[in-house]
Amino acid sequence: SAVISQKPSRDICQRGTSLTIQCQVDSQVTMMFWYRQQPGQSLTLIATANQGSEATYESGFVIDKFPISRPNLTFSTLTVSNMSPEDSSIYLCSVLTGGETQYFGPGTRLLVL
Amino acid sequence: EDQVTQSPEALRLQEGESSSLNCSYTVSGLRGLFWYRQDPGKGPEFLFTLYSAGEEKEKERLKATLTKKESFLHITAPKPEDSATYLCAVQADGGSYIPTFGRGTSLIVHP
Repeated sequence: SAVISQKPSRDICQRGTSLTIQCQVDSQVTMMFWYRQQPGQSLTLIATANQGSEATYESGFVIDKFPISRPNLTFSTLTVSNMSPEDSSIYLCSVLTGGETQYFGPGTRLLVL
Repeated sequence: EDQVTQSPEALRLQEGESSSLNCSYTVSGLRGLFWYRQDPGKGPEFLFTLYSAGEEKEKERLKATLTKKESFLHITAPKPEDSATYLCAVQADGGSYIPTFGRGTSLIVHP
């Protein structure tokens, strides 16, 4: 298994500003992901965070809006840029261990006013 | 395209009233099927992985089963603390390891 922590756990932001979310894992993992979960909805994959190279974004998500860094095998950040109320969601960091089981962090609850 | 459909969307039970949640899936080849529990405002918590038809896994009041087309999460004599959203996900053979998630079943157990 993997123990994942995220910072901040929640935040309230003004529209037009940016927020960077940090994800720390207690062991080295090859694959890290960022998900979004809007109220009452299931999980939507934003991107795969690749160590040492640019993240791989899913359809509908772009680097200018959601820049991602992955400087090493235990840490990643997701920035939500130029926020609008539609960005209000839970943002989840996730890792894949042994190529099989996916574990999730506790999430960052974001409210944009 | 891989698809996962969970039913019902919501389920209300009385404490002690056993029931089952369904996860139907379409995938070219199944590598693994996963069940998660998610409490409001928190990240999903891993419960089980099932790999082949006929496999069963148990944890306390929960038992997950798998056939070639669907999986069931059986909840025996549930308690109010079992209230949560239960998510199902499938991982396809070959290619990406990224699972496809269903929309979840919201379970409320009344005392």
